[in-house]
Amino acid sequence: EVQLVESGGGLVQPGGSLRLSCAASGFTFSSYWMSWVRQAPGKGLEWVANIKTDGSAKYYIDSVKGRFTISRDNAKNSLSLQMNSLRAEDTAVYYCARDEIAGYFNYWGQGALVTVSS
Amino acid sequence: ENVLTQSPGTLSLSPGERATLSCRASQSVSRNYLAWYQQKPGQAPRLLIYGASSRATGIPDRFSGSGSGTDFTLTISRLEPEDFAVYHCQQHGTSKTFGPGTKVDIK
Repeated sequence: EVQLVESGGGLVQPGGSLRLSCAASGFTFSSYWMSWVRQAPGKGLEWVANIKTDGSAKYYIDSVKGRFTISRDNAKNSLSLQMNSLRAEDTAVYYCARDEIAGYFNYWGQGALVTVSS
Repeated sequence: ENVLTQSPGTLSLSPGERATLSCRASQSVSRNYLAWYQQKPGQAPRLLIYGASSRATGIPDRFSGSGSGTDFTLTISRLEPEDFAVYHCQQHGTSKTFGPGTKVDIK
């Protein structure tokens, strides 16, 4: 059974940093691109970033470029999102999701809440 | 950027009725790579449809997707109580933008 479990969410002040992790199991992690998708309170879904199978390619939404870094450790079946210079508008539930070949998301984690507030 | 618009914002229907949800793109969606997700409060989204019309594994056949180019539709033939939720469309492939969602609530 495919499982994705996020951790590391919490309350952080504007300008602060936070690191999210996603533990993957039940599939060959190193064979799949992985993404982070977020959802601000009461709002729609927003794709944030994704990373190639071997970590050699990474893509980001414009609003997080230069502030967020996606990474992975295939030996530990783990995905991470380092978030720096956080803003109030980054407040959201962050989901890790497995990218299928055609780019849709068939498996999602339960989400980690990140609140940026003073 | 290809912007997705969903209508209506809210759809109020009764169990047993047919639901028709629209997703319109500002530019043609490459290869008709359009997905639909269902999301209930406090839960992660659940994939229903990908490639505009292919049902995901385990999705009941009362859910169907259609459309091409810039206009896509999700149809729920007969609403079951568990179908009342928010539905999101997404263009998949290299671009992964989502629409704002349509809430289907009980009339």
